[in-house]
Amino acid sequence: SAVISQKPSRDICQRGTSLTIQCQVDSQVTMMFWYRQQPGQSLTLIATANQGSEATYESGFVIDKFPISRPNLTFSTLTVSNMSPEDSSIYLCSVAGTTHYEQYFGPGTRLTVT
Amino acid sequence: RKEVEQDPGPFNVPEGATVAFNCTYSNSASQSFFWYRQDCRKEPKLLMSVYSSGNEDGRFTAQLNRASQYISLLIRDSKLSDSATYLCVVNIGDYKLSFGAGTTVTVRA
Repeated sequence: SAVISQKPSRDICQRGTSLTIQCQVDSQVTMMFWYRQQPGQSLTLIATANQGSEATYESGFVIDKFPISRPNLTFSTLTVSNMSPEDSSIYLCSVAGTTHYEQYFGPGTRLTVT
Repeated sequence: RKEVEQDPGPFNVPEGATVAFNCTYSNSASQSFFWYRQDCRKEPKLLMSVYSSGNEDGRFTAQLNRASQYISLLIRDSKLSDSATYLCVVNIGDYKLSFGAGTTVTVRA
């Protein structure tokens, strides 16, 4: 499976500011995904990011709030804009596997908004 | 109805015991199923894919019942290191995965 890294690993931000999270993969992958895991809850898909096309957002998530870039096949960013305390969460990127639609996850970014 | 539902537990078992738990899914068209393991403050890691005939990986056995739309995971000879949250995950099309809320397992010495 691919090796995935994320930066930053954690951050504490003030409300109203924005944070950009980076996801780097050690091999070229077509499909990357961004998830949110709120405290005590399971993972919720934010969007699918394919290189060369606009990200596809899930219901409840919009581009203005969570803009995504996918400049090449090994890198993606997710920005959390105009943050509020409700955005405090772990944000994870993942890549699609090649066998049975499995996904492999980065270590996550723990965001706290004060 | 949630797409994937799991018994949250917690399941508290002694070392060496067998523990089993299920999850149910709502999308009858789903074709791929997985169990992930998530340790506290860590990312989910793929434990095993679940095949329609059932499959085993060491002490772990997964079963799929398409007619009843449920998936099970059985852990034999539990180790302290098996303590984690186990996530039932279902592919819902277009490479998208739906995650259950997780079943917490604690193995005690």
